[in-house]
Amino acid sequence: DAKTTQPPSMDCAEGRAANLPCNHSTISGNEYVYWYRQIHSQGPQYIIHGLKNNETNEMASLIITEDRKSSTLILPHATLRDTAVYYCIVKAYNTDKLIFGTGTRLQVFP
Amino acid sequence: EPEVTQTPSHQVTQMGQEVILRCVPISNHLYFYWYRQILGQKVEFLVSFYNNEISEKSEIFDDQFSVERPDGSNFTLKIRSTKLEDSAMYFCASSGIEDSPLHFGNGTRLTVT
Repeated sequence: DAKTTQPPSMDCAEGRAANLPCNHSTISGNEYVYWYRQIHSQGPQYIIHGLKNNETNEMASLIITEDRKSSTLILPHATLRDTAVYYCIVKAYNTDKLIFGTGTRLQVFP
Repeated sequence: EPEVTQTPSHQVTQMGQEVILRCVPISNHLYFYWYRQILGQKVEFLVSFYNNEISEKSEIFDDQFSVERPDGSNFTLKIRSTKLEDSAMYFCASSGIEDSPLHFGNGTRLTVT
């Protein structure tokens, strides 16, 4: 599986957009980009995933660059409850497992 | 929204004892997983299970570990003879179809003394 690189921590003011970057320069054509988050010590929570097109759902937007070597997760209006560790994971279609890195610890402040 | 439930939330056991961690996946899901997270460390894949057999497992999942789907609703992880280093949060997950997102439970904290 391709490795991902994320900043260890970020801050965001409540109500503002949080833009979390991820580099995955060795991604291959059949690998998807997934985003999960972990609030405190709860189980990881799925946010969004994509292959090459930008995606949006009720939680977030995912912007993938044209060369697919990086992506950005956007939380459009961050709230205090979005404080969590955010994981960017690259997963091949033919494997079951998710390989978690250390993620980005997002702190949303009032 | 349906969710994955895990019991117990916290289990304390003595070294060398057998322990069974229980999970009830989302009811129409077909793919089941166990992950673990040692305190302060990354979430690690242990095993995936589909069609009543293991489909993939990690190096961590050695002969001390086994999984079972004893009935139509439960999915269990057994550790035969626990070691101190098995202390961790154990997360169960399920997904509906191949390559669909995983839904995780909130974990069982296993403490081996």
